[in-house]
Amino acid sequence: AQTVTQSQPEMSVQEAETVTLSCTYDTSENNYYLFWYKQPPSRQMILVIRQEAYKQQNATENRFSVNFQKAAKSFSLKISDSQLGDTAMYFCAFMNWGGSEKLVFGKGTKLTVNP
Amino acid sequence: EPEVTQTPSHQVTQMGQEVILRCVPISNHLYFYWYRQILGQKVEFLVSFYNNEISEKSEIFDDQFSVERPDGSNFTLKIRSTKLEDSAMYFCASSEGVRAGNQPQHFGDGTRLSIL
Repeated sequence: AQTVTQSQPEMSVQEAETVTLSCTYDTSENNYYLFWYKQPPSRQMILVIRQEAYKQQNATENRFSVNFQKAAKSFSLKISDSQLGDTAMYFCAFMNWGGSEKLVFGKGTKLTVNP
Repeated sequence: EPEVTQTPSHQVTQMGQEVILRCVPISNHLYFYWYRQILGQKVEFLVSFYNNEISEKSEIFDDQFSVERPDGSNFTLKIRSTKLEDSAMYFCASSEGVRAGNQPQHFGDGTRLSIL
């Protein structure tokens, strides 16, 4: 069974600075997807960024980028130029390629951006 | 942008009572999901639903749980006889098609279920 681990329950960063959230996972599969979801306070979970395991190039979405290390089974999220609106819970998630459509989540990291 | 909507936002129910959580997925989506998050724990998959039947369920989704798409827009989760340990945030999600890695799951705001 796949597992996802987020070792940082809480983090904080100053506005305009850069922060990196860690995620590791365990799987015996070779092809899969990885996701970062953001859940602002009292708001719905929204997809931030996704990575296909067969792609070597790290995914980037504006200020958000990932460092995908397949051999190390690591998938960290870097937020550049942090904004107050980035304050949220961040969940790392895994999905198999083919077959099961379920997401396997980590416990989440609560990120606070301070002014 | 279209959203997944869930009602109610908070449900308080006596233990042993039945509860129905409601979701309206995004209109052109074909796959539907329920997840739950017990306070302080991970978001856990419960069930996926496609073409009017369950496509996958977890070991959590026992006989006390059922899902239904009663009409063209709603997707419901029913818990027949609630237990204290059913207290959690329940999230509904939907995705456009089969390859959900390329067509990601969109989540609702969640329903907080409190069992007394």
